Amino acid sequence: QSALTQPASVSGSPGQSITISCTGTSNDIGNYNYVSWFQQRPGEAPKVLIYDVSSRPSGVSNRFSGSKSGNTASLIISGLLAEDEADYYCISYIISDTWVLGGGTKLTVL
Amino acid sequence: QLQLQESGPGLVKPSETLSLTCTVSGDSISSRYHYWGWFRQPPGKGLEWIGCINYSGNTYYGPSLMSRVAMSVDTSNNQFSLRVNSVTAADTGLYFCVRRVGRSSWFDYWGQGMKVTVSS
Repeated sequence: QSALTQPASVSGSPGQSITISCTGTSNDIGNYNYVSWFQQRPGEAPKVLIYDVSSRPSGVSNRFSGSKSGNTASLIISGLLAEDEADYYCISYIISDTWVLGGGTKLTVL
Repeated sequence: QLQLQESGPGLVKPSETLSLTCTVSGDSISSRYHYWGWFRQPPGKGLEWIGCINYSGNTYYGPSLMSRVAMSVDTSNNQFSLRVNSVTAADTGLYFCVRRVGRSSWFDYWGQGMKVTVSS
């Protein structure tokens, strides 16, 4: 299966809001509400920010939110902080308990 | 508090088999509500989902490694394992073990990652 499509990079200034898109197909994002978003800082394991499209684990800031429309999922980060600078990955269920990832998006806080 | 810890050789020769173990503490690997899996990340590149296994030993593998990978569970030691055979330099990277909550996309606990280098 093909990887999900994410922008290679996005940037924003402190306090701004940014959106990272994740585009799949009707075989993955479009057909299931099983989409997650991970944040990964250099040298660290990924951390889940959003699961099941828009659910947020306890302890994750409410500045992070997720949504889905058709074959595209989105991660919205509001009130950007310097500490949000990291790589972000989306992942979607595809079929028969298998999963497909996006290529990752590097967020730069200007 | 649940913890996952990867272990295994950090250096593997080309054409040989990469074997990693993930030891789970704070939860039973026999839980029917969770899946246990692996991701990997080549140096400077993105994440790749390798596969997962459930409490009854059912396995699910990604297409890129399906022909070379095998996973198993060891309930007596509360561990699960990954084997990748016929490795090449392209298998070099960080390997993460992870727990996923069933019927969701919640990959809630991750190991810290194990660096594996394929080199002669």
